Amino acid sequence: KNQVEQSPQSLIILEGKNCTLQCNYTVSPFSNLRWYKQDTGRGPVSLTIMTFSENTKSNGRYTATLDADTKQSSLHITASQLSDSASYICVVRKGTNAGKSTFGDGTTLTVKP
Amino acid sequence: EAQVTQNPRYLITVTGKKLTVTCSQNMNHEYMSWYRQDPGLGLRQIYYSMNVEVTDKGDVPEGYKVSRKEKRNFPLILESPSPNQTSLYFCASSLARGTGSTDTQYFGPGTRLTVL
Repeated sequence: KNQVEQSPQSLIILEGKNCTLQCNYTVSPFSNLRWYKQDTGRGPVSLTIMTFSENTKSNGRYTATLDADTKQSSLHITASQLSDSASYICVVRKGTNAGKSTFGDGTTLTVKP
Repeated sequence: EAQVTQNPRYLITVTGKKLTVTCSQNMNHEYMSWYRQDPGLGLRQIYYSMNVEVTDKGDVPEGYKVSRKEKRNFPLILESPSPNQTSLYFCASSLARGTGSTDTQYFGPGTRLTVL
């Protein structure tokens, strides 16, 4: 079982709508959590990074939240655009072991006109 | 432009024929890493390097080799490729990597490898 679980696996929404992606993790001890956006056939691009003491971080229309007590994070996308269609990957870095990172399987978001 | 480059971008080869995928970054980053991405399995780390001449195994190192003779380059070597190494490969780099590092990791464009 992956130590970083993302849901849903895929999501289809209409342009202009909001959506929320979930990430639950069991990685311990915790160092930080990152959200990446990966367009088809391209490398992931960092959206946000949060440490233990941060519970929200925004990057334009993307807002990530973190609850380190329940080990849950979410990525909220506001007023979606067609260009938001991509895979969104949650990555949790461990607080030991040279900062080993564990990747979630990603949520595939499709935004339709 | 700050970037991570990989070559080739696409490669079709046959079982047992040695190949090298190159990775280069122009950001003077200390940390570099190789990942493979397979459907349903997400990104898995193959090898990483904390600095020149310092490399270590990731989660799936079997069948791969790396070297870090200079800071900017981190080639991935498949001595005897097999079909189960057919995958999408990404190289990545970041400024440094301590346990608490929040440095952004920059990914290359990917290399799609098919081993027949």
